Amino acid sequence: EDKVVQSPLSLVVHEGDTVTLNCSYEVTNFRSLLWYKQEKKAPTFLFMLTSSGIEKKSGRLSSILDKKELFSILNITATQTGDSAVYLCAVEGGSNYKLTFGKGTLLTVNP
Amino acid sequence: GAVVSQHPSWVICKSGTSVKIECRSLDFQATTMFWYRQFPKQSLMLMATSNEGSKATYEQGVEKDKFLINHASLTLSTLTVTSAHPEDSSFYICSAPKGGAVEQYFGPGTRLTVT
Repeated sequence: EDKVVQSPLSLVVHEGDTVTLNCSYEVTNFRSLLWYKQEKKAPTFLFMLTSSGIEKKSGRLSSILDKKELFSILNITATQTGDSAVYLCAVEGGSNYKLTFGKGTLLTVNP
Repeated sequence: GAVVSQHPSWVICKSGTSVKIECRSLDFQATTMFWYRQFPKQSLMLMATSNEGSKATYEQGVEKDKFLINHASLTLSTLTVTSAHPEDSSFYICSAPKGGAVEQYFGPGTRLTVT
C-alpha cells in the first residue's frame, strides 16, 4: 500500500521566519510528487517534482525531491501571514494519475 | 488555467435521503476524474476513480452501492451519496487531470451535512 508521511504535523512561526516542511514516501511505480496548499477549500497546486536534485522555485517557495532517499522538502522563506495554510504532499504511483496524500502540515504564521 | 467546478458547494440533507454532487471540467475533457473525502483536520482520502464510459474503481473500504459514481460524459462525473447518514457528513472534492498532465485540477469541494 502506498504511503506518504509528512512532518511536522503542525508548525507555528513568526512572520519573516523560514520553514522547511518534510514529506517521505513509499510507493510502487513512482511517477511524481506534488505539493499543494489548502486554505478554506480545495487544494491549490504548488509544485510537481519528478526528478531528483532539481529545485523547483516559485517566489519565496521552493521544493526539491530525493528519489534515492524517498523524500521531498518544501521551503518557505520570509514567511507571511498569508502563508498560513495546510500544506499537502501527494505522490502519484501506479497508473491513471492516482494520488496518495499525506496528512498535511498545518502552518500558522503569526504577525 | 484549467478549471473544475462542483455543484452544489454545500448541501444539508436529512438522514435516509440521497444527495447528488456534480463535478465538471470546464475547459478540457477528462476521461478520468477522482473523488476524495476530507474529514475535519484530516487529509484527502481517495474514494474512487471515475472512468468515462466504464465502471468506477473504488478504494478499499468504500461501499460502491452507497457512493454511486457515474461518468456520463468527458466533462461530467457525478457522485450520489445514497441513504445518507450523519457519519457521511464530510467535505467531498473531485479532481481531474488535464490531458496527459499528472497535475490534477481540483474542484472547490462540496460540504455535505446530514442531519
